[in-house]
Amino acid sequence: DAKTTQPNSMESNEEEPVHLPCNHSTISGTDYIHWYRQLPSQGPEYVIHGLTSNVNNRMASLAIAEDRKSSTLILHRATLRDAAVYYCILSAQGAQKLVFGQGTRLTINP
Amino acid sequence: GAVVSQHPSRVICKSGTSVKIECRSLDFQATTMFWYRQFPKQSLMLMATSNEGSKATYEQGVEKDKFLINHASLTLSTLTVTSAHPEDSSFYICSATLGSGGAQTQYFGPGTRLLVL
Repeated sequence: DAKTTQPNSMESNEEEPVHLPCNHSTISGTDYIHWYRQLPSQGPEYVIHGLTSNVNNRMASLAIAEDRKSSTLILHRATLRDAAVYYCILSAQGAQKLVFGQGTRLTINP
Repeated sequence: GAVVSQHPSRVICKSGTSVKIECRSLDFQATTMFWYRQFPKQSLMLMATSNEGSKATYEQGVEKDKFLINHASLTLSTLTVTSAHPEDSSFYICSATLGSGGAQTQYFGPGTRLLVL
């Protein structure tokens, strides 16, 4: 599985945008980029995924670099409930299983 | 959205006993479910892939005779920790996939916290 690199931790303030980076320089042409998050003592939660184009949904936006070697998860207006560990994961086309890295622990200050 | 439940949410057992954890997809059918384990302050570790109607596929280093997986229906997979020991104490999480091709989304259960005394 292609590897991703994320900062161990990030901090932001409530009601401000948050940009969570992910590097995946060994991504292959058919790898999807997935983002999940895990709130304390809960199972992970799907956030967003993309292949080549930027994606938006009600939770977040995903900006994918043109060369696909990096991506950024954007939370447009962070709330305290967004405090979680965010995982950036690559999955090959047709593959089902996800391999979790260490993720980024996001702290939101009130 | 797709909902996955787990039962029990937490369990305490004595060393040497077996514990069964259930994972159910409540509003969709899942031919494939996954079992993960998570130790404190660590990431999720995939244990096995559970396939409906066939044997589970275990990740390297996971003992199949210790962690018995049964996926008898399209909405239920069970993980049995046999002869549990204190080192098996962990947070066990299941997930089920929805979708096809490379864009499959996994929906996770809330997890089961196991404490072996």
